[in-house]
Amino acid sequence: IMLTQSPATLSVSAGESISLSCRASQNISTNLHWYQQKPNESPRFLIKYASQSISGTPSRFSGSGSGTDFTLNINGVEPEDFSVYFCQQSNNWPLTFGSGTKLEIK
Amino acid sequence: QVQLKESGPGLVQPSQTLSLTCTVSGLSLTSNSVSWIRQPPGKGLEWMGVIWSNGGTDYNSAIKSRLSFSRDTSKSQVFLKMNSLQSEDTAKYFCASPYNNFKYWGQGVMVTVSS
Repeated sequence: IMLTQSPATLSVSAGESISLSCRASQNISTNLHWYQQKPNESPRFLIKYASQSISGTPSRFSGSGSGTDFTLNINGVEPEDFSVYFCQQSNNWPLTFGSGTKLEIK
Repeated sequence: QVQLKESGPGLVQPSQTLSLTCTVSGLSLTSNSVSWIRQPPGKGLEWMGVIWSNGGTDYNSAIKSRLSFSRDTSKSQVFLKMNSLQSEDTAKYFCASPYNNFKYWGQGVMVTVSS
């Protein structure tokens, strides 16, 4: 299953609210997960099964969607949020990841 | 506290075999699976496969013929072997847990394939 993330890069100012998109090449129900990765760090698990928060994930992060279209929302971007965000599906083997969206400071 | 830590050579010659170790603490390998994921420089993530809590394995079909996982539960270690390395295998290699989404990650080990 291919996951297409858009945009590839998003330039915003701190405090803005944003949405990142992840589109699957076929129906994956809600078997979609989100990660944040900062330079030279391991990915950090943010959201599971499209909309379920992980312990420790700030409340400004939320996820939505099902089927083929998914969204990661950040309600009021903080300076520490500027990183790359990946989606990952677990509906079919092999597990696959999207190519990522880089959130950068405008 | 769950920790995973990868170790292995930073440089491998083309056509040679890569051997990596993932040392796990805070998780029992007989109750939890461990996956391997890699990331070429500046690129996205590729799931390589999983070793299950019962010791069984599943691999990404794209690299299955070159890959094998094993483990030593007494040492809480998981091993990756991949043969016939080429430049395209240059990447940071992570071990992660569990198996369908990844709450726990190692720091990764950078492997460069070059002569």
